[in-house]
Amino acid sequence: GAVVSQHPSWVICKSGTSVKIECRSLDFQATTMFWYRQFPKQSLMLMATSNEGSKATYEQGVEKDKFLINHASLTLSTLTVTSAHPEDSSFYICSARDGGLLAGGSTDTQYFGPGTRLTVL
Amino acid sequence: AQSVTQLDSQVPVFEEAPVELRCNYSSSVSVYLFWYVQYPNQGLQLLLKYLSGSTLVKGINGFEAEFNKSQTSFHLRKPSVHISDTAEYFCAVTSDTGRRALTFGSGTRLQVQP
Repeated sequence: GAVVSQHPSWVICKSGTSVKIECRSLDFQATTMFWYRQFPKQSLMLMATSNEGSKATYEQGVEKDKFLINHASLTLSTLTVTSAHPEDSSFYICSARDGGLLAGGSTDTQYFGPGTRLTVL
Repeated sequence: AQSVTQLDSQVPVFEEAPVELRCNYSSSVSVYLFWYVQYPNQGLQLLLKYLSGSTLVKGINGFEAEFNKSQTSFHLRKPSVHISDTAEYFCAVTSDTGRRALTFGSGTRLQVQP
């Protein structure tokens, strides 16, 4: 089945530093990847849509200069939290959309990574 | 734009009992519907999806869901739950065109008791 990995699984950093999170689709090509943020006991909130070879599309209220997204290849997207502060502490989850055509139809499904727990001190 | 409502934030149930987790959606266009499960400190795992065709969809771990267009619902069911089914369940919707970003419901915590 489709597998998406994230690295690191958890990270602790000091306030003011930058943190990069990688999201990889391991066995399929993903022209579109999504980045979500999840606060404790809450649902997932879409932060941005990452498209291979083009600029990311950010949701309203998400600072694009703070959350830098790069989608350099069909299997890799990165999220960099710049000048992190304690309020950026959260669980960040990526997903990759498998829009490929299988016999009989499209899979058109998002597969999620295991998430990255970011703690900013 | 789409929206998803999961009516129950928590559902306690005894082991081997049946369960239904409710999901209603709102959309002005045709949609795809999904159920995901999340275990503590993990990402989301796809349980099942409705893209088209038969309105009764069977997924992994014995779960199934029925798409009801007239009631704009996509309720998740399992005839007999196990302790291991204890987790957070999210219903999600996306339009069948465009960038296909998912809109999630607020989640339902299924707590299976022995």
